[in-house]
Amino acid sequence: KNQVEQSPQSLIILEGKNCTLQCNYTVSPFSNLRWYKQDTGRGPVSLTIMTFSENTKSNGRYTATLDADTKQSSLHITASQLSDSASYICVGQQGAQKLVFGQGTRLTINP
Amino acid sequence: EAQVTQNPRYLITVTGKKLTVTCSQNMNHEYMSWYRQDPGLGLRQIYYSMNVEVTDKGDVPEGYKVSRKEKRNFPLILESPSPNQTSLYFCASSLGSYSPLHFGNGTRLTVT
Repeated sequence: KNQVEQSPQSLIILEGKNCTLQCNYTVSPFSNLRWYKQDTGRGPVSLTIMTFSENTKSNGRYTATLDADTKQSSLHITASQLSDSASYICVGQQGAQKLVFGQGTRLTINP
Repeated sequence: EAQVTQNPRYLITVTGKKLTVTCSQNMNHEYMSWYRQDPGLGLRQIYYSMNVEVTDKGDVPEGYKVSRKEKRNFPLILESPSPNQTSLYFCASSLGSYSPLHFGNGTRLTVT
């Protein structure tokens, strides 16, 4: 069964700290792995997209990693800011068209 | 500004009354899709379109219709809405199916 599982479901950290969000995926045939950020009440915004040949990709303070052998991805946020409070959604692309969405990790940054 | 525009943002309606949620993008994207987002279930794809006059079912197409007569527009039609279609709906577009999606800001639909 094609699925994407994220952990933790929710996370609270202090402003300025780093954090890492996890994603395990079972998607076949695998095309790419995506991370999106969704602010409350807004549509998701793309952070990174990686194919199986890429194992790291950065977007500012966001760094995504991909291990195609273990089918795991992580999103590392460095020096967190209040504006990083959001849900982070991991998405695996199966083949040419189908996207398999994780349920997201809700991140709260406290001052 | 490059964007995906959905209207309306909020909609309250009654069971059985046909409604249309509009979606328009100004990026000349070929790929467009509709999703619903429900607590505990995440985003689920309703329909997608690879290009004009080409549409296909996603994971949860029952009770919905779409059309793609022009490249920029991809309306979502609920012919006879039911309470189980109460949800947050997102339209998205991308250059192609392998490209990042650009999402609209959502339409919160309540069917009573």
